[in-house]
Amino acid sequence: QKEVEQDPGPLSVPEGAIVSLNCTYSNSAFQYFMWYRQYSRKGPELLMYTYSSGNKEDGRFTAQVDKSSKYISLFIRDSQPSDSATYLCAMRKAAGNKLTFGGGTRVLVKP
Amino acid sequence: GAVVSQHPSRVICKSGTSVKIECRSLDFQATTMFWYRQFPKQSLMLMATSNEGSKATYEQGVEKDKFLINHASLTLSTLTVTSAHPEDSSFYICSSQGNLGDTEAFFGQGTRLTVV
Repeated sequence: QKEVEQDPGPLSVPEGAIVSLNCTYSNSAFQYFMWYRQYSRKGPELLMYTYSSGNKEDGRFTAQVDKSSKYISLFIRDSQPSDSATYLCAMRKAAGNKLTFGGGTRVLVKP
Repeated sequence: GAVVSQHPSRVICKSGTSVKIECRSLDFQATTMFWYRQFPKQSLMLMATSNEGSKATYEQGVEKDKFLINHASLTLSTLTVTSAHPEDSSFYICSSQGNLGDTEAFFGQGTRLTVV
C-alpha cells in the first residue's frame, strides 16, 4: 500500500464548476501538506502549503486538512479551462525535508 | 514564491554520452536540493537528495555512478547522467528548499532528456 493515495482521474468538469480533489495517507508522522499544479512538460508549481488541521483559503483555492482522518482536500472554485492540469498532493514529516507525493489527479475543465 | 531555474529544458543526446542538468536557486540559499525523475502520467520519483558541501544521498535503486550529483554552492546543484542510454530518457526535475526546516519546496521547470 502506498503511503499517499490519490485518485488518478481524469476528472472532467464544466467551466465554472467546483473541482474537488483529495488525498489519503497512512503515516500519522506527516505534518506538512502541500498541493502542486503541474502542466504538461513543466515542473510542479506550489499552490497551497498547510501545517495544521483546518482550512486555508487563497483566492479560488481552499485546502483542507483533517489529520484525525488522514485526509486532505483541495477545492477550486469557479474553475477555468486554464486550471486543466495534473494536481499533486505532497506531504512531509516534521523531521527531515523529504516530500512524499501522491500519484496526481488529472483535471480537465471544459469550456 | 521562490524561483528555481533549471537548464536545459530539453536535451537530446546520443547513447553513450553524458548530459549535465543545472538547477539554480535564484533568490534564496538552498542547503538542500532534490532531484526527481518523472515518467509519463506518473508522479515524481525521488532520485537523490543533494546537500551543499557534502555527498548526495541516493534513494534505493538509483545508481550513484550513473547519476552524478554535485552541490558545490548554496545556489547550484547539477545532475550529470553519465553514459546515457535510451532507458534514461525521462523528465528530470529539481527542487530546492530554504535553510529553515519548515519551508516549502519549489521546483524547477524540468528537463526532458531524450537519448537516441
